[in-house]
Amino acid sequence: DAKTTQPPSMDCAEGRAANLPCNHSTISGNEYVYWYRQIHSQGPQYIIHGLKNNETNEMASLIITEDRKSSTLILPHATLRDTAVYYCIVRIYNQGGKLIFGQGTELSVKP
Amino acid sequence: GAVVSQHPSRVICKSGTSVKIECRSLDFQATTMFWYRQFPKKSLMLMATSNEGSKATYEQGVEKDKFLINHASLTLSTLTVTSAHPEDSSFYICSATTPEQFFGPGTRLTVL
Repeated sequence: DAKTTQPPSMDCAEGRAANLPCNHSTISGNEYVYWYRQIHSQGPQYIIHGLKNNETNEMASLIITEDRKSSTLILPHATLRDTAVYYCIVRIYNQGGKLIFGQGTELSVKP
Repeated sequence: GAVVSQHPSRVICKSGTSVKIECRSLDFQATTMFWYRQFPKKSLMLMATSNEGSKATYEQGVEKDKFLINHASLTLSTLTVTSAHPEDSSFYICSATTPEQFFGPGTRLTVL
């Protein structure tokens, strides 16, 4: 079973920040938080991952709470092309471990 | 990021035939690849872990004799759906680890 909980759907206005929450209250000390997204009929795309510090790359920012029981993925300026299902996954890093997908959040970016 | 390709992108076959799907890591070597299946409006379901030079590890409930996996080199894994039936129609996706997991574009299988 997936070890994360996400809202099933969210809407966001184009140009605004999209904040996608994820709960992972049973996360272990050596598990990282990963975010992927899947645009319709395509393979999932890696977005970002982190352990306990906040992370930022060209796609998004990842904010992890101090107790590591939840996190938020932030798309700073959402575009229509960001419409996708976003998956939050916990996984042990660097062990080639499998990813177990939950139901994800379907983000709809509207004009 | 790393590039993973799949071939074919879509295939239509008759019931009872076998279909082979290829997954290649184009710019890196992957000792481990994964195969997922996705039904419409559903999340990805892990089918098996493919390890180069050894037998694949199948998830519970996945028939290993029906879904044959071969990982003969560090850049190629194949999934063969044997004696396909309409209920095997699905979107099949592979991934390879670098150690981050990168996914292929998927293969749409339709069994008539």
